[in-house]
Amino acid sequence: NFMLTQPHSVSESPGKTVTISCTRSSGTIASNYVQWYQQRPGSSPTTVIYEDNQRPSGVPDRFSGSIDSSSNSASLTISGLKTEDEADYYCQSYDTSNVVFGGGTKLTVL
Amino acid sequence: EVQLVESGGGLVKPGGSLRLSCAASGFTFSSYTMEWVRQAPGKGLEWVSSITSSSTYIYYADSVKGRFTISRDNAKNSLYLQMSSLRAEDTAVYYCARVLAATHAFDIWGQGTMVTVSS
Repeated sequence: NFMLTQPHSVSESPGKTVTISCTRSSGTIASNYVQWYQQRPGSSPTTVIYEDNQRPSGVPDRFSGSIDSSSNSASLTISGLKTEDEADYYCQSYDTSNVVFGGGTKLTVL
Repeated sequence: EVQLVESGGGLVKPGGSLRLSCAASGFTFSSYTMEWVRQAPGKGLEWVSSITSSSTYIYYADSVKGRFTISRDNAKNSLYLQMSSLRAEDTAVYYCARVLAATHAFDIWGQGTMVTVSS
């Protein structure tokens, strides 16, 4: 089984841009889609990015996703940060018989 | 409205059993892979189990294999998780979620049900 490693926390000011990384420990990041979920305190997760870089309807285009085969990682970038973006963010991928979540990144917008 | 509603959580002693249910509405339940994901207090998301639309394929995380059983009743639009030999480390909020099989993206989540394993 592979692991997905995320930074424990990131912080940035309103209006700025932040990028959260998600590194796959084994296997190729491009071999299976990566999703990103936002979870606010006391709420269920919601999808902000699916299929590496697709945004569900209703998710603002300030959110974008990408993958980088050279570093075997995926990234979530949030531009024009708003205080409402403060939340935990999780990356997720899978293989034949297993689903893996990253450990989560706490985003603080201050 | 597309909705998933979990029930069945509660306080159980170590070694005990519990059955979680997830009622689906607003979509064709029988067409989707469904999964359970849990979150221990203050911790991250952990995948628990997966069942395909016709129950053909079932998968479990190593941490629950042999103790938990996932099942579904498409006629009742319901998903289940039978948990046995419960341990303190199984304490968590348990979410059911709908999955898009082609991409394995979780697109709909329930509100979760809390399971506490304690003596």
